[in-house]
Amino acid sequence: GIQVEQSPPDLILQEGANSTLRCNFSDSVNNLQWFHQNPWGQLINLFYIPSGTKQNGRLSATTVATERYSLLYISSSQTTDSGVYFCADSRGKLIFGQGTELSVKP
Amino acid sequence: ETGVTQSPTHLIKTRGQQVTLRCSSQSGHNTVSWYQQALGQGPQFIFQYYREEENGRGNFPPRFSGLQFPNYSSELNVNALELDDSALYLCASSLGGTANTEAFFGQGTRLTVV
Repeated sequence: GIQVEQSPPDLILQEGANSTLRCNFSDSVNNLQWFHQNPWGQLINLFYIPSGTKQNGRLSATTVATERYSLLYISSSQTTDSGVYFCADSRGKLIFGQGTELSVKP
Repeated sequence: ETGVTQSPTHLIKTRGQQVTLRCSSQSGHNTVSWYQQALGQGPQFIFQYYREEENGRGNFPPRFSGLQFPNYSSELNVNALELDDSALYLCASSLGGTANTEAFFGQGTRLTVV
């Protein structure tokens, strides 16, 4: 089955910094979702982005399905951005990466 | 629009016992998928229910079973609990079975087996 690799596994930022999280796939991307897992465990939908670029406030995402990757950009990071970010590809079921744990320091 | 809700939020069980977790799907959604998330890992697919039928299963033993009801809510049952079953169990709601539409998650049930 498809393998999903996220990088970096951990990231520490100062408040206000920008960051890029990456998701690589072993096969072409089908229907990609990005999630933020809050400290209580809930997965919050960030983007549903099979291809192209979308923006929502300080966050944006780009998926290049044919080149098997997706990027999540976080600009002007805030402490509330801390948590684990997951990408997942949908193939009848969601196949998740191992996540990127982001810590934003004040 | 009602979001995905799961109950209970936390649960402690003894090895060998049985547990039932519940999920109410988002309004208008007919598909429920269950995932197990061990500490420090990404969620792993357990199974999916679409229109009250199991519609795909991950690599989990038969003691993990489920149901979907006519209102599209769902239960996850785990028999003969093992210590390794301790995890966060997540329910996702979507539309259209394997049509790969956007999925929305509940807040999860944290199960501890002692």
